[in-house]
Amino acid sequence: KAGVTQTPRYLIKTRGQQVTLSCSPISGHRSVSWYQQTPGQGLQFLFEYFSETQRNKGNFPGRFSGRQFSNSRSEMNVSTLELGDSALYLCASSRNSADTQYFGPGTRLTVL
Amino acid sequence: AQKITQTQPGMFVQEKEAVTLDCTYDTSDQSYGLFWYKQPSSGEMIFLIYQGSYDEQNATEGRYSLNFQKARKSANLVISASQLGDSAMYFCAMRDPLGGADGLTFGKGTHLIIQP
Repeated sequence: KAGVTQTPRYLIKTRGQQVTLSCSPISGHRSVSWYQQTPGQGLQFLFEYFSETQRNKGNFPGRFSGRQFSNSRSEMNVSTLELGDSALYLCASSRNSADTQYFGPGTRLTVL
Repeated sequence: AQKITQTQPGMFVQEKEAVTLDCTYDTSDQSYGLFWYKQPSSGEMIFLIYQGSYDEQNATEGRYSLNFQKARKSANLVISASQLGDSAMYFCAMRDPLGGADGLTFGKGTHLIIQP
């Protein structure tokens, strides 16, 4: 069974731009969660989607948004990029919201 | 709110020795799940082992075992017979098993280096 895939793997943007990251979950998994990892703040929960509905959201500004499609694939969008948004963005999928989460390889975003 | 504390920022261990990575947690919930993940330098988080708060036996998965002491709120990971490929960051995490509001709560991690 294929694992979680994330595209792109690497991304370089400039301040003020926006970016969209994509995540394809493991087949049969309906829950997708996103996390931001930085050296200073560690791993922080962004949001979780289940059956196309956002279930939970972490403490991030409204510039961070996401969505989930009917095939469970998910995208997250960051608008008006700031230098502090440079991070590794990890996507995780699970069968449901309570099940073990399996992570993708991450997208490394650099904001210049 | 849930909190995970990993007190060992880094560890050096000789190959083939056993390793214990410390994790303590704080929660007011009676029901919760505890996880350990491994993150190699490539960045991907690899699930290692899970322990439910009501599980009476310590979880084991191959060379990994979880030393769960509920009264002390600790969930230490034990790696037996360490290998060079075990060198990585290790994260302890927890969440409400019913799917809590904040996703997984992670500790700061332990950087494990296995020396030949």
